[in-house]
Amino acid sequence: EVQLVESGGGLVQPGGSLRLSCAASGFTFSDYWMHWVRQDPGRGLVWVSHINSDGSTTTYADSVKGRFTISRDNAKNTLFLQMNSLRAEDTAVYYCARDVWFDYWGQGTLVTVSS
Amino acid sequence: EVVMTQSPATLSVSPGERATLSCRASQSVTSSLAWYQQKPGQAPRLLIYGASTRATGIPARFSGSGSGTEFTLTISSLQSEDFAVYYCQQYNNWPYTFGQGTKLEIK
Repeated sequence: EVQLVESGGGLVQPGGSLRLSCAASGFTFSDYWMHWVRQDPGRGLVWVSHINSDGSTTTYADSVKGRFTISRDNAKNTLFLQMNSLRAEDTAVYYCARDVWFDYWGQGTLVTVSS
Repeated sequence: EVVMTQSPATLSVSPGERATLSCRASQSVTSSLAWYQQKPGQAPRLLIYGASTRATGIPARFSGSGSGTEFTLTISSLQSEDFAVYYCQQYNNWPYTFGQGTKLEIK
């Protein structure tokens, strides 16, 4: 069974940092692209970042470029999102999702940026 | 950026009836279009990819059609568990973009 489990969310002050993790199981993690997607409370979905299967290529939404870094550890079947210089507008539930068309999603982790 | 526009914002349909949801792209996304269902408190679930291919385990009452800029998700006979929010998403161009969602509610 494919499982994606996010962790690392929480309350952080503006300008602070957080590192999200997504632990993958039930499939060969190193074969798949992975993504981070966020959802503002009560609102729609926004794609945040992508990483290819071996980690050599990454892509970012303009709103997070230069502040967020996606990475992966294929030996540990884990995806990461390092979030720096956090802003109030980064407050959201963050999901990791698998493959080109997001066939599996984690349950999400809530990030709240507030003083 | 490709802007995805869904219509209507809210659709009221009775159980057993057909629901038709629309999604329009601001430029061609070929067939690189997916549909997701999201229920309150849950992660989205993939329904359709490649504009018309049902994902694993998705009932046959869900079907997708279209290419280029115009897409449709049809639910042939609504079941109680189908009332949710539906999103379309293009994955033809970076950044990947979602529509704003259509809320399917019970009439």
